[in-house]
Amino acid sequence: QVQLQESGPGPVKPSETLSLTCSVSGGSISNFYWSWIRQPSGRGLEWIGYIYYGGSTNYHPSLKSRVTISVDTSKNQFSLKLRSVTAADTAVYYCARSLGDFWSPPDIWGQGTMVTVSP
Amino acid sequence: EIVLTQSPGTLSLSPGERATLSCRASQSVISSYLAWYQQKPGQAPRLLIHDASSRATGIPDRFSGSESGTDFTLTISRLEPEDFAVYYCQQYASSPPTFGQGTKVEIK
Repeated sequence: QVQLQESGPGPVKPSETLSLTCSVSGGSISNFYWSWIRQPSGRGLEWIGYIYYGGSTNYHPSLKSRVTISVDTSKNQFSLKLRSVTAADTAVYYCARSLGDFWSPPDIWGQGTMVTVSP
Repeated sequence: EIVLTQSPGTLSLSPGERATLSCRASQSVISSYLAWYQQKPGQAPRLLIHDASSRATGIPDRFSGSESGTDFTLTISRLEPEDFAVYYCQQYASSPPTFGQGTKVEIK
């Protein structure tokens, strides 16, 4: 079955760029909507944005100026870049796949990766 | 942006009891594009319900969703030990998709 795995370089310093990759195994990244969602410790979920495999994107308005989501179909991966981070960006970051090849809620999620923004 | 307000914040119940969780939207959720998720500590959310009342694959039929206008309800007919968790609603009818703040179902 399809599995997602987030990966990233670890802690990030304030003002730097957070970069995460989501590797898709057990299925193709073609079709479906691929999302990034985050969750600060002990708090609720926040949708960051999505990319459709063809390349169209949609971002949360509050993050739009700092976010880029891209897809690499040759590697079966998609990525998140969040620029100019602050402590408020500290969270568990999840990648997720939509239920179907149409706009729909995520039904397959990665395990999540903790990103800490700290000097 | 559509704001989702979940109530109660915490629900204290015993195994075998019925759980009723509420999610109220600040405006109409077109096409009933509302989902429910279950999240346990240290785990990713798990999709339970989509389109307000459709169970996701593999979800037991003790979980059901319903809607009435801008009010949405998740019902767990008889709580099993594994059902004690935090539950979130999410609307995906309009951008940005938004989540409620969550309802914790704890063992009484």
